[in-house]
Amino acid sequence: QVQLQESGPGLVKPSGTLSLTCAVSGGSISSSNWWSWVRQPPGKGLEWIGEIYHSGSTNYNPSLKSRVTISVDKSKNQFSLKLSSVTAADTAVYYCARGLVRSFDIWGQGTMVTVSS
Amino acid sequence: QSALTQPASVSGSPGQSITISCTGTSSDVGGYNYVSWYQQHPGKAPKLMIYDVSNRPSGVSNRFSGSKSGNTASLTISGLQAEDEADYYCSSYTSSSTLRVFGGGTKLTVL
Repeated sequence: QVQLQESGPGLVKPSGTLSLTCAVSGGSISSSNWWSWVRQPPGKGLEWIGEIYHSGSTNYNPSLKSRVTISVDKSKNQFSLKLSSVTAADTAVYYCARGLVRSFDIWGQGTMVTVSS
Repeated sequence: QSALTQPASVSGSPGQSITISCTGTSSDVGGYNYVSWYQQHPGKAPKLMIYDVSNRPSGVSNRFSGSKSGNTASLTISGLQAEDEADYYCSSYTSSSTLRVFGGGTKLTVL
């Protein structure tokens, strides 16, 4: 069965760039699915960040679009998130998730990223 | 402020049924049959419970059901069990440039 695992630094300095990777195991990232990033600030709700298809096509949340880049590495069966010019408001648990039509059927365990100097 | 509106909390006793509402607009909930529901226990990742308004993924108990009327979707949990105590989030596809929107979440307490 498909599993997702996020990895990356847990602490990022203000104005820096947050970089995370989601490794896909038990299946191929080249399947007919979109792959998303979702975040959840402490004690708050979920926010969709963006998604990518294995072809490299992307869609981003307009509220973050100017700062977000999602990329895919088919050779490593993984996809990545970069969020630039981060502030304390970007502190959150970041999840990667597999898209099932218009829902998210498989989620990674999540990784906490804190923006602080 | 979340794009979809959910009650902050609901509660019920074991064995009872509860319903959580999710209100949007004709651009999201009302316009498409792409509403999904997620269960999230503290410190855990969300889990898909319902997709496309009323479909259950394999392995999800048939005590969970979904429906939609106009711009409001609903999640009903019957035969409440202690393990159902969690946060529940709705989500919908939207024709706006945002593409995906979530509700603010509902905390379910099993009394």
